[in-house]
Amino acid sequence: SQQGEEDPQALSIQEGENATMNCSYKTSINNLQWYRQNSGRGLVHLILIRSNEREKHSGRLRVTLDTSKKSSSLLITASRAADTASYFCATDANSGNTPLVFGKGTRLSVIA
Amino acid sequence: GAGVSQSPSNKVTEKGKDVELRCDPISGHTALYWYRQSLGQGLEFLIYFQGNSAPDKSGLPSDRFSAERTGGSVSTLTIQRTQQEDSAVYLCASSATAGLVEFFGPGTRLTVL
Repeated sequence: SQQGEEDPQALSIQEGENATMNCSYKTSINNLQWYRQNSGRGLVHLILIRSNEREKHSGRLRVTLDTSKKSSSLLITASRAADTASYFCATDANSGNTPLVFGKGTRLSVIA
Repeated sequence: GAGVSQSPSNKVTEKGKDVELRCDPISGHTALYWYRQSLGQGLEFLIYFQGNSAPDKSGLPSDRFSAERTGGSVSTLTIQRTQQEDSAVYLCASSATAGLVEFFGPGTRLTVL
């Protein structure tokens, strides 16, 4: 079963607006990671947030983590057409050396 | 090379045939992962190699799937007697740190007719 579940499944915004995507998970985690995927091929690692962190920034990206609610959000500020992609969260369960479990992703469309 | 490479980039095969997919991880990366992604879906974990440890095969969907990693570097994913439901993009990733899954290859798109 999926550990991370993103919502919304699809999001369409105008260029310049902010985009917020959410991820919920079920079990305790060590880390939560966000990835971007263009054109259904390879994924690009965006950011990792550890379970003891609450917020992390990288350029126009802001990730928050609420372990009490088992949820995370990815905010992309001042979106650009080039941000159009699918965004996935992935978690590793806090039970040893386990592989990442990915959600189904949010499809973001930024309209110029 | 600078990144993870996979070959072939596309593979079309007939139902019942065997296929081999190759992954060349970034040099020195001890962790190597195989995932697959069906159309419009998230990534499904298949198998994970970490150093010299026994691989985590818990994600392999059936005994038709197997993978090996020779010399701690190149990995081959083999699918025997392919079925139409095996059609997907097969993604390989490597990392210097266990659990990070930092660098993905471009994937192999497998189509089983």
